[in-house]
Amino acid sequence: DIQMTQSPSTLSASVGDRVAIACRASQSISTWLAWYQQKPGKAPKLLIYKASSLESGVPSRFSGSGSGTEFTLTISSLQPDDFATYYCQQYSSYWTFGQGTKVEI
Amino acid sequence: QITLKESGPTLVKPTQTLTLTCTFSGFSLSTSGVGVGWIRQPPGKALECLALIYWDDDKSYSPSLKHRLTITKDTSKNQVVLTVTNMDPVDTATYFCARRRFGASFDYWGQGTLVTVSS
Repeated sequence: DIQMTQSPSTLSASVGDRVAIACRASQSISTWLAWYQQKPGKAPKLLIYKASSLESGVPSRFSGSGSGTEFTLTISSLQPDDFATYYCQQYSSYWTFGQGTKVEI
Repeated sequence: QITLKESGPTLVKPTQTLTLTCTFSGFSLSTSGVGVGWIRQPPGKALECLALIYWDDDKSYSPSLKHRLTITKDTSKNQVVLTVTNMDPVDTATYFCARRRFGASFDYWGQGTLVTVSS
Protein backbone atom coordinates (compact mmCIF):
# COMPACT_ATOMS: atom_id res chain seq x y z
CA ASP A 1 0.00 0.00 0.00
CA ILE A 2 1.09 3.55 -0.72
CA GLN A 3 1.14 5.67 2.44
CA MET A 4 0.60 9.42 2.35
CA THR A 5 2.08 11.65 5.06
CA GLN A 6 1.11 15.31 5.43
CA SER A 7 2.88 18.01 7.39
CA PRO A 8 2.16 19.87 9.48
CA SER A 9 -0.91 18.33 11.14
CA THR A 10 -2.07 21.75 12.27
CA LEU A 11 -1.11 25.13 10.88
CA SER A 12 -1.90 28.43 12.56
CA ALA A 13 -2.07 31.37 10.19
CA SER A 14 -3.64 34.76 9.62
CA VAL A 15 -5.67 36.23 6.80
CA GLY A 16 -3.32 37.29 4.03
CA ASP A 17 -0.59 34.78 4.92
CA ARG A 18 1.07 32.56 2.33
CA VAL A 19 0.57 28.98 3.44
CA ALA A 20 2.20 25.74 2.30
CA ILE A 21 1.17 22.19 3.15
CA ALA A 22 3.46 19.28 2.35
CA CYS A 23 2.50 15.75 1.33
CA ARG A 24 4.90 12.85 0.94
CA ALA A 25 4.17 9.50 -0.71
CA SER A 26 5.85 6.29 0.44
CA GLN A 27 6.75 5.51 -3.19
CA SER A 28 6.65 7.35 -6.47
CA ILE A 29 3.17 8.26 -7.69
CA SER A 30 4.27 10.41 -10.66
CA THR A 31 1.74 13.27 -10.57
CA TRP A 32 -1.31 11.21 -9.60
CA LEU A 33 -2.12 13.41 -6.65
CA ALA A 34 -5.18 15.41 -5.65
CA TRP A 35 -5.83 17.98 -2.93
CA TYR A 36 -9.16 18.44 -1.18
CA GLN A 37 -10.59 21.00 1.22
CA GLN A 38 -13.05 19.89 3.87
CA LYS A 39 -15.07 22.01 6.26
CA PRO A 40 -16.81 20.59 9.37
CA GLY A 41 -19.89 18.55 8.55
CA LYS A 42 -19.31 18.86 4.79
CA ALA A 43 -18.01 16.65 2.03
CA PRO A 44 -14.50 17.20 0.71
CA LYS A 45 -14.11 19.57 -2.23
CA LEU A 46 -11.61 18.86 -5.01
CA LEU A 47 -9.12 21.72 -5.38
CA ILE A 48 -6.19 20.34 -7.37
CA TYR A 49 -5.75 17.21 -9.49
CA LYS A 50 -2.79 15.75 -11.35
CA ALA A 51 -0.61 17.47 -8.74
CA SER A 52 -0.90 20.95 -10.25
CA SER A 53 -4.13 21.26 -12.27
CA LEU A 54 -6.65 23.65 -10.75
CA GLU A 55 -10.19 22.29 -10.66
CA SER A 56 -12.76 24.46 -12.41
CA GLY A 57 -14.22 27.13 -10.15
CA VAL A 58 -11.42 26.98 -7.57
CA PRO A 59 -9.76 30.35 -6.82
CA SER A 60 -6.34 30.89 -8.36
CA ARG A 61 -4.78 31.54 -4.94
CA PHE A 62 -4.64 27.75 -4.62
CA SER A 63 -1.79 26.00 -6.42
CA GLY A 64 -0.14 22.60 -6.34
CA SER A 65 3.33 21.42 -7.22
CA GLY A 66 5.54 18.36 -7.07
CA SER A 67 6.03 14.96 -8.60
CA GLY A 68 7.30 11.57 -7.59
CA THR A 69 7.06 11.50 -3.80
CA GLU A 70 7.05 15.16 -2.72
CA PHE A 71 4.12 17.51 -3.19
CA THR A 72 2.99 20.90 -1.93
CA LEU A 73 -0.31 22.75 -1.76
CA THR A 74 0.16 26.51 -1.54
CA ILE A 75 -2.41 29.16 -0.71
CA SER A 76 -0.94 32.47 -1.83
CA SER A 77 -3.04 34.77 0.37
CA LEU A 78 -5.18 33.07 2.99
CA GLN A 79 -8.81 34.17 3.01
CA PRO A 80 -11.38 33.72 5.82
CA ASP A 81 -13.13 31.01 3.79
CA ASP A 82 -9.91 28.98 3.60
CA PHE A 83 -9.82 27.95 7.25
CA ALA A 84 -10.50 24.23 6.90
CA THR A 85 -8.83 20.83 6.81
CA TYR A 86 -6.87 19.86 3.71
CA TYR A 87 -6.19 16.33 2.48
CA CYS A 88 -3.87 15.01 -0.17
CA GLN A 89 -4.79 11.79 -1.98
CA GLN A 90 -2.82 9.57 -4.29
CA TYR A 91 -4.54 7.71 -7.12
CA SER A 92 -1.58 6.00 -8.71
CA SER A 93 -2.31 2.67 -7.05
CA TYR A 94 -5.79 2.41 -5.58
CA TRP A 95 -6.59 5.57 -3.55
CA THR A 96 -5.16 6.64 -0.22
CA PHE A 97 -5.51 9.89 1.67
CA GLY A 98 -3.14 11.71 3.95
CA GLN A 99 -4.11 12.26 7.56
CA GLY A 100 -5.11 15.87 6.97
CA THR A 101 -3.81 19.34 7.81
CA LYS A 102 -6.03 21.68 9.76
CA VAL A 103 -5.54 25.34 8.92
CA GLU A 104 -6.71 27.44 11.84
CA ILE A 105 -6.65 31.06 12.84
CA GLN B 1 -25.92 19.61 -12.69
CA ILE B 2 -24.20 16.64 -11.07
CA THR B 3 -25.52 15.40 -7.74
CA LEU B 4 -24.99 12.31 -5.61
CA LYS B 5 -26.89 11.28 -2.51
CA GLU B 6 -26.29 8.47 -0.06
CA SER B 7 -29.10 6.55 1.61
CA GLY B 8 -29.31 3.72 4.08
CA PRO B 9 -29.67 2.95 7.78
CA THR B 10 -28.27 5.35 10.34
CA LEU B 11 -27.92 2.65 13.00
CA VAL B 12 -26.81 -0.98 12.64
CA LYS B 13 -25.98 -3.60 15.22
CA PRO B 14 -22.62 -5.33 15.48
CA THR B 15 -22.27 -8.33 13.12
CA GLN B 16 -25.05 -7.02 10.86
CA THR B 17 -24.59 -6.22 7.17
CA LEU B 18 -24.75 -2.59 6.07
CA THR B 19 -26.26 -1.76 2.69
CA LEU B 20 -25.83 1.77 1.34
CA THR B 21 -27.20 3.18 -1.89
CA CYS B 22 -25.74 6.07 -3.86
CA THR B 23 -28.27 7.67 -6.21
CA PHE B 24 -26.79 10.08 -8.71
CA SER B 25 -27.85 12.37 -11.54
CA GLY B 26 -26.22 14.56 -14.15
CA PHE B 27 -23.87 11.91 -15.52
CA SER B 28 -23.96 8.34 -16.75
CA LEU B 29 -22.04 5.40 -15.36
CA SER B 30 -21.95 4.08 -18.91
CA THR B 31 -19.56 6.83 -20.00
CA SER B 32 -16.01 5.64 -20.57
CA GLY B 33 -13.65 6.58 -17.75
CA VAL B 34 -16.35 7.31 -15.18
CA GLY B 35 -16.57 5.58 -11.83
CA VAL B 36 -18.39 5.91 -8.52
CA GLY B 37 -16.64 5.24 -5.25
CA TRP B 38 -17.41 4.96 -1.56
CA ILE B 39 -15.26 6.77 0.98
CA ARG B 40 -15.76 6.83 4.73
CA GLN B 41 -14.62 9.08 7.56
CA PRO B 42 -14.81 8.07 11.23
CA PRO B 43 -15.64 10.99 13.54
CA GLY B 44 -12.64 13.31 13.79
CA LYS B 45 -10.49 11.10 11.59
CA ALA B 46 -9.17 10.97 8.05
CA LEU B 47 -10.82 9.76 4.87
CA GLU B 48 -10.60 6.14 3.73
CA CYS B 49 -11.52 4.89 0.28
CA LEU B 50 -13.52 1.65 0.45
CA ALA B 51 -14.49 0.65 -3.06
CA LEU B 52 -15.00 1.94 -6.56
CA ILE B 53 -16.91 0.65 -9.59
CA TYR B 54 -16.13 1.69 -13.14
CA TRP B 55 -18.25 2.23 -16.24
CA ASP B 56 -17.15 -1.18 -17.57
CA ASP B 57 -18.14 -2.92 -14.29
CA ASP B 58 -14.52 -3.31 -13.17
CA LYS B 59 -14.20 -2.97 -9.40
CA SER B 60 -11.52 -1.97 -6.91
CA TYR B 61 -11.61 -2.60 -3.19
CA SER B 62 -9.64 -1.48 -0.16
CA PRO B 63 -7.05 -4.23 0.36
CA SER B 64 -7.67 -4.30 4.11
CA LEU B 65 -11.48 -4.50 3.84
CA LYS B 66 -11.88 -6.39 0.59
CA HIS B 67 -13.21 -9.52 2.30
CA ARG B 68 -16.17 -7.55 3.73
CA LEU B 69 -17.11 -5.33 0.78
CA THR B 70 -19.25 -5.71 -2.32
CA ILE B 71 -19.99 -2.90 -4.77
CA THR B 72 -22.54 -3.12 -7.58
CA LYS B 73 -24.20 -0.76 -10.00
CA ASP B 74 -27.60 -0.40 -11.65
CA THR B 75 -26.96 1.85 -14.62
CA SER B 76 -30.65 2.10 -15.53
CA LYS B 77 -31.48 3.44 -12.06
CA ASN B 78 -28.32 5.56 -11.72
CA GLN B 79 -27.46 3.80 -8.49
CA VAL B 80 -24.41 2.23 -6.89
CA VAL B 81 -24.80 -0.06 -3.90
CA LEU B 82 -22.18 -0.90 -1.28
CA THR B 83 -22.57 -3.74 1.19
CA VAL B 84 -20.33 -4.14 4.22
CA THR B 85 -20.60 -7.37 6.16
CA ASN B 86 -19.91 -8.04 9.82
CA MET B 87 -20.20 -4.44 10.99
CA ASP B 88 -18.29 -3.43 14.11
CA PRO B 89 -18.33 -0.27 16.27
CA VAL B 90 -15.04 0.80 14.63
CA ASP B 91 -16.99 1.04 11.35
CA THR B 92 -18.95 3.97 12.76
CA ALA B 93 -18.35 6.73 10.24
CA THR B 94 -19.80 9.12 7.72
CA TYR B 95 -20.02 7.29 4.42
CA PHE B 96 -19.68 9.33 1.23
CA CYS B 97 -20.14 8.38 -2.38
CA ALA B 98 -18.30 10.32 -5.06
CA ARG B 99 -17.83 10.41 -8.80
CA ARG B 100 -14.47 9.47 -10.18
CA ARG B 101 -13.43 11.43 -13.25
CA PHE B 102 -10.60 9.91 -15.22
CA GLY B 103 -7.33 11.63 -14.36
CA ALA B 104 -8.89 13.80 -11.67
CA SER B 105 -9.93 11.41 -8.90
CA PHE B 106 -13.14 12.31 -7.03
CA ASP B 107 -14.66 15.50 -8.41
CA TYR B 108 -18.24 15.40 -7.11
CA TRP B 109 -19.32 14.14 -3.69
CA GLY B 110 -22.55 13.35 -1.92
CA GLN B 111 -23.36 15.01 1.39
CA GLY B 112 -22.52 11.85 3.33
CA THR B 113 -24.53 9.71 5.71
CA LEU B 114 -23.54 8.94 9.29
CA VAL B 115 -23.75 5.27 10.17
CA THR B 116 -23.45 4.29 13.82
CA VAL B 117 -22.69 0.73 14.85
CA SER B 118 -24.03 -0.03 18.30
CA SER B 119 -26.04 -2.68 20.06
